[in-house]
Amino acid sequence: AQSVTQPDIHITVSEGASLELRCNYSYGATPYLFWYVQSPGQGLQLLLKYFSGDTLVQGIKGFEAEFKRSQSSFNLRKPSVHWSDAAEYFCAVGAHTNAGKSTFGDGTTLTVKP
Amino acid sequence: NAGVTQTPKFQVLKTGQSMTLQCAQDMNHEYMSWYRQDPGMGLRLIHYSVGAGITDQGEVPNGYNVSRSTTEDFPLRLLSAAPSQTSVYFCASRLRDSSEAFFGQGTRLTVV
Repeated sequence: AQSVTQPDIHITVSEGASLELRCNYSYGATPYLFWYVQSPGQGLQLLLKYFSGDTLVQGIKGFEAEFKRSQSSFNLRKPSVHWSDAAEYFCAVGAHTNAGKSTFGDGTTLTVKP
Repeated sequence: NAGVTQTPKFQVLKTGQSMTLQCAQDMNHEYMSWYRQDPGMGLRLIHYSVGAGITDQGEVPNGYNVSRSTTEDFPLRLLSAAPSQTSVYFCASRLRDSSEAFFGQGTRLTVV
């Protein structure tokens, strides 16, 4: 079965500082990996996704993520955080053998200090 | 395009009442899913569908029914609401397995 672990429930960073949110997945083959962001009271919005090819993927709002097969990780990064980045972030894994069934991590809440 | 539309946005039910959460998408997506979101538990898949007439259970299906008579609509039915079903419910759709999911704005349900 596929699974996703986001080890950090809550992270606080200062505005302008760099950010890394961790995501570890479990799946037997190459998965489809996603990062979503959820602002308060809103649905989830896709930040970026990885299917194959270049292991460093660029997303919206200045985010990037790196797929590391050897570590089963797909960590999300941003060089300089803005106050508007405060939100909850979800890592998700999908696979062609589980049609329609994406598995989400429990989420990481990001607080940005002025 | 409206994307994924969920109604209602808020609902309060008494224990034992039934209701249907509506979800509609206008993107001609094959796959549709229902999730519930609870604090500290992320999103848990309730039911999903890979096309009209085809549905299957997710990880927390008990107490919920779904049907998919059209590509556009994927209603979620609570037959006899329980306080444990107090949650925020999200509907999502995707074109195919490798594509991103589009989420509705959510329905906040309280069962008293």
